[in-house]
Amino acid sequence: EDQVTQSPEALRLQEGESSSLNCSYTVSGLRGLFWYRQDPGKGPEFLFTLYSAGEEKEKERLKATLTKKESFLHITAPKPEDSATYLCAVSGSARQLTFGSGTQLTVLP
Amino acid sequence: EAGVAQSPRYKIIEKRQSVAFWCNPISGHATLYWYQQILGQGPKLLIQFQNNGVVDDSQLPKDRFSAERLKGVDSTLKIQPAKLEDSAVYLCASSLGVLYEQFFGPGTRLTVL
Repeated sequence: EDQVTQSPEALRLQEGESSSLNCSYTVSGLRGLFWYRQDPGKGPEFLFTLYSAGEEKEKERLKATLTKKESFLHITAPKPEDSATYLCAVSGSARQLTFGSGTQLTVLP
Repeated sequence: EAGVAQSPRYKIIEKRQSVAFWCNPISGHATLYWYQQILGQGPKLLIQFQNNGVVDDSQLPKDRFSAERLKGVDSTLKIQPAKLEDSAVYLCASSLGVLYEQFFGPGTRLTVL
């Protein structure tokens, strides 16, 4: 059974204070690791897909990295508009997404 | 390009009543998903369609939940009868195929009293 654990559950940062979110996973035959952003009252919004260890992707202030056991979402110089819940999900041999519980990020001005 | 549409956005019902949710995916997307998201948790897959056929419904409580995808486009998810523990947000998503990124609708927030 695929499993995803995200930490921390909640994170409060000052504007400009860089940090990282962690996603640890166990999966049979990783086909892809996905990062999503979810704002209150909305559906998840796709950010990145990573397919193999060593892969990195960037978008504005966000950078996602992948190893064989975990993924990190690095946030550089965050702004208040980056406040959201960040969800990690894996797709394995079962070809379905298994989500973690998310990290709720709050960036204070 | 229009996103995934869902209705209603909110629904409040009494336990043992029935309820139905509707989803219209992004045009051209062959794969459609229904997820249940309980407060404080990540989405959990209920059912996955490829065109109008079911690919995976292993986590769908089939004694009370049913879903269909008519003509490989729109989909409905029904709960009958509802229980208190069904209170959650029901999310619909679509993608070009099984391994492509999924695009989510805004969800339907269901409250069962």
